[in-house]
Amino acid sequence: AQTVTQSQPEMSVQEAETVTLSCTYDTSESDYYLFWYKQPPSRQMILVIRQEAYKQQNATENRFSVNFQKAAKSFSLKISDSQLGDAAMYFCALDQAGTALIFGKGTTLSVSS
Amino acid sequence: DTGVSQDPRHKITKRGQNVTFRCDPISEHNRLYWYRQTLGQGPEFLTYFQNEAQLEKSRLLSDRFSAERPKGSFSTLEIQRTEQGDSAMYLCASSTTGIGEQYFGPGTRLTVT
Repeated sequence: AQTVTQSQPEMSVQEAETVTLSCTYDTSESDYYLFWYKQPPSRQMILVIRQEAYKQQNATENRFSVNFQKAAKSFSLKISDSQLGDAAMYFCALDQAGTALIFGKGTTLSVSS
Repeated sequence: DTGVSQDPRHKITKRGQNVTFRCDPISEHNRLYWYRQTLGQGPEFLTYFQNEAQLEKSRLLSDRFSAERPKGSFSTLEIQRTEQGDSAMYLCASSTTGIGEQYFGPGTRLTVT
């Protein structure tokens, strides 16, 4: 069965600092996509970044980047120059068949000034 | 592009009543998904449609749940004889065919008293 594990229920970071959120997954497929979604309090889920498994190069989107280790089945999210608006719950998600996304339990990120 | 919309945003109902939620996907997206999210957890897949065809249902979707997408545009999710355990956020998402990111609506928060 496919699983996604986020082992950090909560993380905190100071403004302008860098934080890394961890995610591991399990799948028997060789072709799949991985995502990080952000869900601010009482607001809808938005996509932060995506990574295609067949691409060796790590995805980056402005201050957000990933460290994708396919052999280790690890997919961490690095947020650089953290801002107060980054405070949210972050979910790692796996899509291997173009159907259901499988989500981890999430990491709550707090940002202090 | 107006995004995915859901109606109502909040619903309070008494145990045993039936409720129906509506989702309007992004207009050019032919895939539509329903997820359930309980407090502090990641979303769990319920079902998805490609156009008007319901292609997959999770074991979480008991007989009391039914979903439709009659003309391949908006979708409804009905819960019959609601139970307190049905209290959750019901999320709708849409995407284009194939593996790719899903775009989420704001959700409908159901409270069963």
